[in-house]
Amino acid sequence: AQSVTQLGSHVSVSEGALVLLRCNYSSSVPPYLFWYVQYPNQGLQLLLKYTSAATLVKGINGFEAEFKKSETSFHLTKPSAHMSDAAEYFCAVTLNKGGGADGLTFGKGTHLIIQP
Amino acid sequence: KAGVTQTPRYLIKTRGQQVTLSCSPISGHRSVSWYQQTPGQGLQFLFEYFSETQRNKGNFPGRFSGRQFSNSRSEMNVSTLELGDSALYLCASSNLLAGKGADTQYFGPGTRLTVL
Repeated sequence: AQSVTQLGSHVSVSEGALVLLRCNYSSSVPPYLFWYVQYPNQGLQLLLKYTSAATLVKGINGFEAEFKKSETSFHLTKPSAHMSDAAEYFCAVTLNKGGGADGLTFGKGTHLIIQP
Repeated sequence: KAGVTQTPRYLIKTRGQQVTLSCSPISGHRSVSWYQQTPGQGLQFLFEYFSETQRNKGNFPGRFSGRQFSNSRSEMNVSTLELGDSALYLCASSNLLAGKGADTQYFGPGTRLTVL
């Protein structure tokens, strides 16, 4: 079975500073990995996804993530935080079964706080 | 294209009642998944439907059920509601292509269910 661990339920950064949200996964087969963002009272919006192509994945709103198999990590970064980045971020994994929309397994989420 | 829509957005029920939630996927998407989001358990996969067939199921009791119609719209039903069923229920659709592995799931805004 697969699992995801997000280190830090809350992360606080200053506006303009580097954003780093950590995600480690556990999977017995090559995984697909996703980062989603959730704003208050809204659903989840996809930021980016890793599907075994390039290990450095660029997403929307200036976010990117790097898949590191040796570290079983998929950390999310953004060079310069903006006030509008304040939200809940979820890392998710699903197994590469070669077909089929398997259920996503989510981490507990990281609440990103941006200090002015 | 219109996004995933869910109705109703908010619902209040009492213990013992049953409830039906509706989800309309993005046009052309044939896979619909349901998730439960609570502060304590986070995001948990309920089940997934494809072409009117349930293909995957999470670890939830039989009180939780669903179905999908020929137009890919989906409903989920919870019978004999318990206080712990209070949650945000999210629906996601994906444009599954055979043999292409897991595809991105696009989420709706959710239905907020409160059980009193």
